[in-house]
Amino acid sequence: AQTVTQSQPEMSVQEAETVTLSCTYDTSESNYYLFWYKQPPSRQMILVIRQEAYKQQNATENRFSVNFQKAAKSFSLKISDSQLGDTAMYFCAFMKHGDDKIIFGKGTRLHILP
Amino acid sequence: DTAVSQTPKYLVTQMGNDKSIKCEQNLGHDTMYWYKQDSKKFLKIMFSYNNKELIINETVPNRFSPKSPDKAHLNLHINSLELGDSAVYFCASSQTRGRDYGYTFGSGTRLTVV
Repeated sequence: AQTVTQSQPEMSVQEAETVTLSCTYDTSESNYYLFWYKQPPSRQMILVIRQEAYKQQNATENRFSVNFQKAAKSFSLKISDSQLGDTAMYFCAFMKHGDDKIIFGKGTRLHILP
Repeated sequence: DTAVSQTPKYLVTQMGNDKSIKCEQNLGHDTMYWYKQDSKKFLKIMFSYNNKELIINETVPNRFSPKSPDKAHLNLHINSLELGDSAVYFCASSQTRGRDYGYTFGSGTRLTVV
């Protein structure tokens, strides 16, 4: 069974700093997808970024980028120039190719301090 | 227009009651899901329907019964509510071709059983 581990329950950084959230996963599959979701206090789940396992190039979306290390089964999220609106729970997630369900990690609560 | 809408957003009820949560998506997706987020923010899949057919049924008590009248709707009925059912329930949807792009989530229903 696949598992997703986020080792940082909570983090705080100053506004405008760069922060990296860690995620590791365990799978025997070779083809899969990885996601980072953001859940702000509004409770809405928002897709931040996705990565296809067969692509070596790290995904980027504006201030958000990932460091995907397939051999190490690591998928960290970097937020550059952090903003107050980035304050949220961040969930790392995994989906096997051809599967129907996304498996989530337990989340990292990120506080951006003014 | 809301892509995935859930009603109600908040639900407070007594133990032993029966309640339903409704979900509708206007994205034209063919797969819908129910996830449960517990008090520690852990998200776990409960059910998945594809074109009105149940395809995922995780280990969920029989008191929980999903119903999909058509591919745009997925409702969750809960019988004999217990204190441990208190959680946020998220509906989500995806397209079979393109589900690897992640789900679109509703804004969640906070269920409180007293």
